[in-house]
Amino acid sequence: TQLLEQSPQFLSIQEGENLTVYCNSSSVFSSLQWYRQEPGEGPVLLVTVVTGGEVKKLKRLTFQFGDARKDSSLHITAAQPGDTGLYLCAGLPRAEKLVFGKGTKLTVNP
Amino acid sequence: GAGVSQTPSNKVTEKGKYVELRCDPISGHTALYWYRQSLGQGPEFLIYFQGTGAADDSGLPNDRFFAVRPEGSVSTLKIQRTERGDSAVYLCASSRGTGSYEQYFGPGTRLTVT
Repeated sequence: TQLLEQSPQFLSIQEGENLTVYCNSSSVFSSLQWYRQEPGEGPVLLVTVVTGGEVKKLKRLTFQFGDARKDSSLHITAAQPGDTGLYLCAGLPRAEKLVFGKGTKLTVNP
Repeated sequence: GAGVSQTPSNKVTEKGKYVELRCDPISGHTALYWYRQSLGQGPEFLIYFQGTGAADDSGLPNDRFFAVRPEGSVSTLKIQRTERGDSAVYLCASSRGTGSYEQYFGPGTRLTVT
């Protein structure tokens, strides 16, 4: 079974601070995705990283896929209250079967 | 266009009862997925349909769980003899088809078994 470990599990910060969330596995994934989920809603895809060492930027969010394709990180610069949510990483052993981590619950306080 | 819709949004049932959860995918999406998300956990894969057929049902926990997609669009997840451990949010997602990386999720059905 391929498992994804996310850390930290909970993170509470002040508006304007920077943060990094980690996603680690002992298994290699063909690609990895990051999702954001708000209460009462389904996850929404933020990014897909495919190539080892790849870095993608989405406004204040920077995503990195490890060289060995076993780990990934999400860095948020100058966090805002609107960034509050559950951040999930998901590995794709193949496109049809996502394997999710437990998530990082982020709270950004004004 | 409309996103993935799921009904009901909430379902409370007694232990031992039968329940059906419905998913209406995005129009034109040929692939459909069911996941289960327990409190404090990430979504867990249950089953994947490509068209009308279940291409991978390896995530269904036991034979009390069954899903159908008879016309290749709407899908129903059926749970027999519900147990308290079945309580969770059941998420449905759809995508354009095999090999598509982007799955679009519905809001989920919160199932509570008392």
